[in-house]
Amino acid sequence: EDQVTQSPEALRLQEGESSSLNCSYTVSGLRGLFWYRQDPGKGPEFLFTLYSAGEEKEKERLKATLTKKESFLHITAPKPEDSATYLCAVTETSGSRLTFGEGTQLTVNP
Amino acid sequence: NAGVTQTPKFQVLKTGQSMTLQCAQDMNHNSMYWYRQDPGMGLRLIYYSASEGTTDKGEVPNGYNVSRLNKREFSLRLESAAPSQTSVYFCASSQRDSQPLHFGNGTRLTVT
Repeated sequence: EDQVTQSPEALRLQEGESSSLNCSYTVSGLRGLFWYRQDPGKGPEFLFTLYSAGEEKEKERLKATLTKKESFLHITAPKPEDSATYLCAVTETSGSRLTFGEGTQLTVNP
Repeated sequence: NAGVTQTPKFQVLKTGQSMTLQCAQDMNHNSMYWYRQDPGMGLRLIYYSASEGTTDKGEVPNGYNVSRLNKREFSLRLESAAPSQTSVYFCASSQRDSQPLHFGNGTRLTVT
């Protein structure tokens, strides 16, 4: 059974204080790993897809990386508007369904 | 750019009542999905439709039925609501399986 574990559950940062969120996964064969951002009262919004170990994607202050067992979402010099819950999900080669982690709730204080 | 539209946004039901949650997408996507989101449980797949005319069970299908009405619309029906079905329901679509999902903004359902 696919498993996705995100840590920490919650993270508070000061504006400008860089940090990383972790997503550990267990799948028989990784087809893709997805990062989403979810704001309160909204649906998740797609950020990145990573397909193979060593791959990296960047968007503004966010950078996602992938190894064979985990992915990191690095946040550089965050701003208050980066406050949200960040969700990680995986899909395996033998199936098409996404398995989601429970998310990391990020708060960036001004 | 509507994307994925869900109706209603909020609903309160009494135990045993039925209702249908509506979802429509305007991105010409082939695949559509219904998820529920509960605190401490993450997003769990209820049903999905890989293409028009097909539907399959997800992780938590009991108590629900779905209809893929056409390529744009995918509805979720609760025949006899139970308090355990109190949740936030999200509809999503993707170009095809394993592609990034585009989510609606959810229906917040309370069953008393």
